[in-house]
Amino acid sequence: NAGVTQTPKFRILKIGQSMTLQCTQDMNHNYMYWYRQDPGMGLKLIYYSVGAGITDKGEVPNGYNVSRSTTEDFPLRLELAAPSQTSVYFCASSQDRGNTIYFGEGSWLTVV
Amino acid sequence: GNSVTQMEGPVTLSEEAFLTINCTYTATGYPSLFWYVQYPGEGLQLLLKATKADDKGSNKGFEATYRKETTSFHLEKGSVQVSDSAVYFCALSSPGAGSYQLTFGKGTKLSVIP
Repeated sequence: NAGVTQTPKFRILKIGQSMTLQCTQDMNHNYMYWYRQDPGMGLKLIYYSVGAGITDKGEVPNGYNVSRSTTEDFPLRLELAAPSQTSVYFCASSQDRGNTIYFGEGSWLTVV
Repeated sequence: GNSVTQMEGPVTLSEEAFLTINCTYTATGYPSLFWYVQYPGEGLQLLLKATKADDKGSNKGFEATYRKETTSFHLEKGSVQVSDSAVYFCALSSPGAGSYQLTFGKGTKLSVIP
């Protein structure tokens, strides 16, 4: 009963370092998403994908990259970490547009 | 563009008190409306949803009615429990090209004390 799984749960990065947040879902969903949640704010969409091989920018894509080589996996890459990227990151998926979106448990990232 | 406004928190209630969390929205067309709940240290979970005007979503004793005339989707529960302590997010998804994503409010933190 895994649903959406993301790793790592916690990470501290130094300015300028790179890292990848991993996300996988076992529900055979077509749509996958990455959101970030800043303190006291709602979630903002970073990138999304409507299927393997297809990705597109959301509201706040700068500083991030994604890929979708399989239906199950949707990793998020931070190339040059900046303090402004300190946030909680949520991966999510849905079967199709308009369907219920299921979220992972979140990844807490601090850039110092 | 789309936007969601929900009441500022935090909200602190005693157990068995009545809960209302206000949510209003701005959107083009006829959006679907959602309430998500985030328990401490966890991801967001869908609590309830409504897809058209006058629909009532309900789950776990929570209810919300889609009011198009007032562009509102207020969350209510008649008798809260300590286990309801969480952050509650109102969200919308509007039809058309942007319906692949949700627009979220800022969240309302609820603390229920025994």
